Amino acid sequence: AQKVTQAQTEISVVEKEDVTLDCVYETRDTTYYLFWYKQPPSGELVFLIRRNSFDEQNEISGRYSWNFQKSTSSFNFTITASQVVDSAVYFCALRSNNAGNMLTFGGGTRLMVKP
Amino acid sequence: DAGVIQSPRHEVTEMGQEVTLRCKPISGHNSLFWYRQTMMRGLELLIYFNNNVPIDDSGMPEDRFSAKMPNASFSTLKIQPSEPRDSAVYFCASSLEAGGSETQYFGPGTRLLVL
Repeated sequence: AQKVTQAQTEISVVEKEDVTLDCVYETRDTTYYLFWYKQPPSGELVFLIRRNSFDEQNEISGRYSWNFQKSTSSFNFTITASQVVDSAVYFCALRSNNAGNMLTFGGGTRLMVKP
Repeated sequence: DAGVIQSPRHEVTEMGQEVTLRCKPISGHNSLFWYRQTMMRGLELLIYFNNNVPIDDSGMPEDRFSAKMPNASFSTLKIQPSEPRDSAVYFCASSLEAGGSETQYFGPGTRLLVL
């Protein structure tokens, strides 16, 4: 069975603060893929990043960075110098080969960035 | 390039009525997924198709729900008869499956309200 846990249901920060969104996953598979999606107030789900289980290299994209640690089964997402436009619900998701094409989503973290 | 297209974007109907949601996947993608998002249950996979064939419909809540994919560029999700508890946002997603690692891209969703 697969499971994704986003323990932080809601985070509130002030603009320009750094914020980290936690994601912990469970899977018995050795090959799996991790994703982050953003859901802004408009409602659509926007793909942010995909990570393979055999690639633990951290990734940075502008103000966004991701820290993948297999030893702790975590795939955390950090926003540096947050902006009001970052306000959204962020979902972490897991997919493993033995689960077919199914994406298992976490419950999401609502991030509110105040000016 | 056009993303996943869903229609209608909003639907309000009365209990007992038939509801049909439509999806056009990204051109060239060979897998299509229907999800439902509610506050109580989060994002749930209802059904997915690969090469127009339904692969896993274990997430379809009951016989009132049915989905079809008559060709590679069109899918429908039908609810008949609809009930108030079906009120949710329904997302369609597509991907190009070539080995089990591909990213799912989501449409804007259909917000359904059953009165």
